[in-house]
Amino acid sequence: AAGVIQSPRHLIKEKRETATLKCYPIPRHDTVYWYQQGPGQDPQFLISFYEKMQSDKGSIPDRFSAQQFSDYHSELNMSSLELGDSALYFCASSWGTSGGLSYEQYFGPGTRLTVT
Amino acid sequence: KQEVTQIPAALSVPEGENLVLNCSFTDSAIYNLQWFRQDPGKGLTSLLLIQSSQREQTSGRLNASLDKSSGRSTLYIAASQPGDSATYLCAVGKNDYKLSFGAGTTVTVRA
Repeated sequence: AAGVIQSPRHLIKEKRETATLKCYPIPRHDTVYWYQQGPGQDPQFLISFYEKMQSDKGSIPDRFSAQQFSDYHSELNMSSLELGDSALYFCASSWGTSGGLSYEQYFGPGTRLTVT
Repeated sequence: KQEVTQIPAALSVPEGENLVLNCSFTDSAIYNLQWFRQDPGKGLTSLLLIQSSQREQTSGRLNASLDKSSGRSTLYIAASQPGDSATYLCAVGKNDYKLSFGAGTTVTVRA
């Protein structure tokens, strides 16, 4: 079965550079979520999109932005990178959240970002 | 703000023993609860999803219960194997789309 695809899997950037992470949800899933997991920490929600519209926002820095495209893939753009941005970034997808019923989230393998 | 706590933080058992992992949450107005497995440096594998209207879910050797009113969930893993060694994360979903995660329980099953 198709899973959530994230690219790249590993990324090394220097401070103040920019990075773009991509996420391709499971086919027919219309909701995408981004999470950040720092070393030894639990995943923290960043932002989500439902039908290409931002649906919720968590502790996402203003230096980060994201969007969901017409084919439902999503990109997380990170600018002015800081050492503290080094983390594992997960994308998850689910099928709809209509009527408040939330469905199972399927996670991608993550993108490991290292900022030097 | 939803707080999710997992106890114990780490657990070491001999092969064959049953595992009991606990998860508690402060806001009982949840829509669902998911249990995940994470191997070191790897992604999250969904194990079980319990909707708020359900009391338990089973998959093979795994059984998860949910007591929404008391804000608790328990993951049972029967007849543990060394391959079960991993970190197990509990995550609670509300109607605001995001999941709130616990810090996880790191399990070591000794051969």
